[in-house]
This record gives sequence, C-alpha cells and structure tokens, in this order.
Amino acid sequence: GAGVSQTPSNKVTEKGKYVELRCDPISGHTALYWYRQSLGQGPEFLIYFQGTGAADDSGLPNDRFFAVRPEGSVSTLKIQRTERGDSAMYLCASSFVGSDETQYFGPGTRLLVL
Amino acid sequence: KQEVTQIPAALSVPEGENLVLNCSFTDSAIYNLQWFRQDPGKGLTSLLLIQSSQREQTSGRLNASLDKSSGRSTLYIAASQPGDSATYLCAVRLRSGGSNYKLTFGKGTLLTVNP
Repeated sequence: GAGVSQTPSNKVTEKGKYVELRCDPISGHTALYWYRQSLGQGPEFLIYFQGTGAADDSGLPNDRFFAVRPEGSVSTLKIQRTERGDSAMYLCASSFVGSDETQYFGPGTRLLVL
Repeated sequence: KQEVTQIPAALSVPEGENLVLNCSFTDSAIYNLQWFRQDPGKGLTSLLLIQSSQREQTSGRLNASLDKSSGRSTLYIAASQPGDSATYLCAVRLRSGGSNYKLTFGKGTLLTVNP
C-alpha cells in the first residue's frame, strides 16, 4: 500500500519568506508526527497530532512554526519569516494508536533557506 | 530527559562480516524501541520495533536485542552486504508521561560495507 508522502521533496527559499510543507499519512493512521533533522543529527520531535488536534506542539522551536491537520489526514507545516537556521530535513511520520504503534516515515522535505 | 547514544558513530567493514551496532538510553522506562535505516538524503525506513516486554526481534539478517534494565539495545547484522551501507538510527519511546508518544533518536551509526 501507499506509504507516507511528503511534498515538495526539496524547497529552496530566501530568508524572510513563508513556506508550507505537506504530509500525506498512511490511510487510517490517526497519529501524525513532524520531526526535524539537521545534518549529522538524529531527528528531533516537533509536533504530534491525534486526529485533527495538536496533542503536543512542545517541540516547535518558536512561534514562526505552526502546523495544522484540519480533516485529520493531510497535515501542513508552516514556517513564517524563514531563517537560515531553519534549513534542515523535515520528516513526517504516521502510526496507528493501539497494539502496533510503529511510526512510518515519509521521504522528507529538504528545506534550504538562502 | 531521555538521551540516546549510539556507538560507534561510523563503522567500515568488509563484505560478509557480521557486525553489531550499539544504542544506549538513559531512562529505562521505555514503551518501545525502534531501529531505522536512513539512506543519504532520504527518509527513515523502519527495520525492527521491540516492545518493552520483549527481549529481541528478528527480521531476515537483522536481530535486535533489548536490555531495559541496563538501558541498552544492539542491532546485529549478519553477513553484511554493500547494500547495507546506510546510517542506522535507534529511537526510544517513553512509557509514561505527557509526551510518551514521541521518539527520541540517537545521532546514528554510519555503516559502510566494502565489496
């Protein structure tokens, strides 16, 4: 079956611009997660959705970052006034909630802020 | 705060060798532990998930063990192949608390298998 998909695969933007990153989870997965991975590091948690609501957004670095999941499926991570330090790989994962809670990751969006 | 450490940071072996990757974590109250593979510039592929009640999991040439009390997990790869070359990441999920669903990752072990 189809896995987690993320678009775009690469995004180059200029400092100060607004970007949106999209995640389409595996069908039927109610849990959705965003992580950010800097070069040479492991992924770091950003935000977790259970259904439509953000159950925990404690990993968002500041108020320039925001994420939504209005219908409980597709999620969009939004970054305002991008900074060079936002450059990273943004990874989305989804999972069931229950007996098998393996998190399945998408291919990621590589964001480069010039 | 949960911290995950992976040793070694990089490993280079000849094809056919058996090898072990190590992962340690500071908080033993985990819900599960996952091993992932990441190819350069790509997303993560889940290899094995071990529940806190389990001691090991096997998939093909991969075997992962878990010793919760000592805060350690190992990933054993048998008869390594050049196609196994990738970064291997270990991630733990805590059992309890308000953030018991998120994964905490190590920095990974970069494995190179030489033909």
